[in-house]
This record gives sequence, structure tokens and C-alpha cells, in this order.
Amino acid sequence: EAQVTQNPRYLITVTGKKLTVTCSQNMNHEYMSWYRQDPGLGLRQIYYSMNVEVTDKGDVPEGYKVSRKEKRNFPLILESPSPNQTSLYFCASSFPLSAGGTGELFFGEGSRLTVL
Amino acid sequence: RKEVEQDPGPFNVPEGATVAFNCTYSNSASQSFFWYRQDCRKEPKLLMSVYSSGNEDGRFTAQLNRASQYISLLIRDSKLSDSATYLCVVNPYGSSARQLTFGSGTQLTVLP
Repeated sequence: EAQVTQNPRYLITVTGKKLTVTCSQNMNHEYMSWYRQDPGLGLRQIYYSMNVEVTDKGDVPEGYKVSRKEKRNFPLILESPSPNQTSLYFCASSFPLSAGGTGELFFGEGSRLTVL
Repeated sequence: RKEVEQDPGPFNVPEGATVAFNCTYSNSASQSFFWYRQDCRKEPKLLMSVYSSGNEDGRFTAQLNRASQYISLLIRDSKLSDSATYLCVVNPYGSSARQLTFGSGTQLTVLP
């Protein structure tokens, strides 16, 4: 089954404790992206990756890191989480229009993170 | 001004009603447009792409007005299962899909 898998789905942590949210897709998509969703602000892009070893900042990259060592994986790293990073996080992937795809984004089920 | 703006609603309509949402975008060079649906606490899923000539999928019709820089979604004969948040999505960078921009969403509740 084609899917995007995120882990963990739920996490409560404390300020400053490094954490990683994993994201894996099995559709051989080149493009992957991380979003955070907060009430009233909608989905905001954190980082995206056009392909292996190619990553770039989105709208709200501060406090986050990513890596793209393999095509299928795109982990999101919070080196020193703070309470303002409490949010619902979505990973997404697509076969972009520029590469002849439809551009449809496929989302993971989301990771709800609480930083105390 | 936000790049993509939607009326947040909520829209509360009775079953069987017709409801329309609009979404405006600021970048006139935008090339691709989508409507996504998001159920409560779930991930967004593509509802339909929006083509220049307008397109229809069953009870759903999407329109694009480049001159006024807005897209619309019309839902006819609303069902209870249509209750969700509808997200307008615009690619402000042409066909690269580099950075899709999401509206904040319009919440729809269809009442029995």
C-alpha cells in the first residue's frame, strides 16, 4: 500500500531534550516536505527536499533540522525543543509537476508533539 | 497580505444544500491550484485539482478565475460526510511544486 509513515504519532517531551520525528515513503517520490499545523495559522512549511541530499528552508525553519540521505526517508530533528514548537506535524511527499508527476501531496497521519 | 486567503467559516448548512467556498491568491504567476480536504485531526487529502477551464467531479465543481486571482469550490447536494475543513492550495512558483502554499482552511459542517 502506498503510504507515508511518521513516527512517533504522539510525543510529550520537555524543553531542550533532542528529538527526531521520522518520515518514510514507499512511493519513490523525489519531493518530501515537513509542515506544522497550528490553530488559525493553517499548514506552514518547515523544510522541503527536492531529492537526496537536496534540502531547503520553508516558511518556518527556525529550531528545526532535516536530512535526506536516502530517497525514502526525511527525518525532522528538533535539537533543543521549546514550548512554541508544540504543534501537529505532517510529513508529505509527491512526484512533482516539474518531473512529470501530478504534484499531488501525500501526507503522513501526523505527529502531535507537546513540549513542556 | 497572506499569499493564500480563505474565509475560515464555519459554514453550517443543511443536508442537500449547495455551498461555495472562495480562495484568493496574491501571486499572479501561480500556475497550479488544488483543493484538499482535512477531517478533524487527520491528514489532508487531495480532493481535486483546479484546471483553467474549470472541472467537475461528481457533486464537486472547481473554478479558476485568473483575472481576479481566486479559485472556488462548489459542493452540490451536501452530505453529512462532506463535513470537514477544505484547504485551498496554490503553487506560487509555477510548476516546480517547490513550495505549495496552503490557505488556513474553511470549515464546513453539514447538518441533518
